[in-house]
Amino acid sequence: AQSVTQLDSQVPVFEEAPVELRCNYSSSVSVYLFWYVQYPNQGLQLLLKYLSGSTLVKGINGFEAEFNKSQTSFHLRKPSVHISDTAEYFCAVTNRDDKIIFGKGTRLHILP
Amino acid sequence: DGGITQSPKYLFRKEGQNVTLSCEQNLNHDAMYWYRQDPGQGLRLIYYSQIVNDFQKGDIAEGYSVSREKKESFPLTVTSAQKNPTAFYLCATTDANTGELFFGEGSRLTVL
Repeated sequence: AQSVTQLDSQVPVFEEAPVELRCNYSSSVSVYLFWYVQYPNQGLQLLLKYLSGSTLVKGINGFEAEFNKSQTSFHLRKPSVHISDTAEYFCAVTNRDDKIIFGKGTRLHILP
Repeated sequence: DGGITQSPKYLFRKEGQNVTLSCEQNLNHDAMYWYRQDPGQGLRLIYYSQIVNDFQKGDIAEGYSVSREKKESFPLTVTSAQKNPTAFYLCATTDANTGELFFGEGSRLTVL
């Protein structure tokens, strides 16, 4: 069975500092990986996705993630955060034949 | 503009009343999903439908019901049997090629 672990429930970071949100998954087959962002009282929006090919994936709003098969990780990074990045971030995995599985989310707090 | 429309955005209900949340999509996706979101618990799957006139229970289906009479529509009824219905409800569809989920803006249900 697939599972997703987001290691940090909350991450505080100063504005213009770099950030990394961690995500580890378990799956016995090839996977597709996603990061979604949720602003307060809104639905989830796709930040980026890994389907195949290059392990470094670039997304919207300056975010990127690296797929590491040996460590079963898909950490999300941004070199310089802005106050507008304050949101909750969800990592998700699917193998296409099964339902998509979400992590419990990481709240990113941007400090002035 | 293609997308998923959920209504109402906010809904208040008295205990013992059923309430129906609407979800309409024009993305021409076959699969549709309902998730429940509570603080700190991520997204939990209530029901999903992969084709018209067919649907399956998710992880927390008790106290909920759905129908899928049209490809575009997947309404969710929160019945009086649902013991703790106050939550944020999200409807989604899937791109069959990638497994990527597309979300509506959500409906917040509060039971008074």
